[in-house]
Amino acid sequence: DIQMTQSPASLSASVGDRVTITCRASQSISSYLNWYQQKPGKAPKFLISAASSLQSGVPSRFTGSGSGTDFTLTISSLQPEDFATYYCQQSYSTPYTFGQGTKLEIK
Amino acid sequence: QVQLVQSGAEVKKPGASVKVSCKASGYTFTSYTITWVRQAPGQGLEWMGWISAYNGNTNYAQKFQGRVTMTTDTSTSTAYMELRSLRSDDTAAYYCARDLGGNYVMGYWGQGTLVTVSS
Repeated sequence: DIQMTQSPASLSASVGDRVTITCRASQSISSYLNWYQQKPGKAPKFLISAASSLQSGVPSRFTGSGSGTDFTLTISSLQPEDFATYYCQQSYSTPYTFGQGTKLEIK
Repeated sequence: QVQLVQSGAEVKKPGASVKVSCKASGYTFTSYTITWVRQAPGQGLEWMGWISAYNGNTNYAQKFQGRVTMTTDTSTSTAYMELRSLRSDDTAAYYCARDLGGNYVMGYWGQGTLVTVSS
């Protein structure tokens, strides 16, 4: 199975900050990398597919990049509604494994 | 609009089975794949497998092989996930999700079904 490792596991930031979350795959997954946002008690919400393709309706302050084994999710200017847990997931080969999550908290 | 509505919370005893439903609306059911993902309390997301609503083909995570069965009923646009021989560590929220079309990316999610396994 492909292991997905996110860093950091948690992150404290303020509204208006720029933050970056990193996701590393245990082997090359080309650009088969997706990002999801989850708020407490809610289902995950899809944000980005194919490493950098923003889902319709997702604010442009979210940016994904990377290929191969190293990927990043950047939020350019944090808004109050962005405080949540973020998961990366590879869809290169089954099982389509997730990272362990990065919890973004308000400083 | 695309909607996935899941069945209600369940409480089961160890060794029992549970069958969770996921009723789809707002799109052509047979044109997409349904994936099942679970999340234990306070933990991360775990991919369980998918089923093609077009032809019933399935792909299960090795971890669940032999214990899980995913099915669909195209007459009611409903997907099902049955998990057998339940253990306490199967306690989790179970989510169904629809792909975006041909790429297994989970673009639309159900609200989740909490399954509690306790004696």
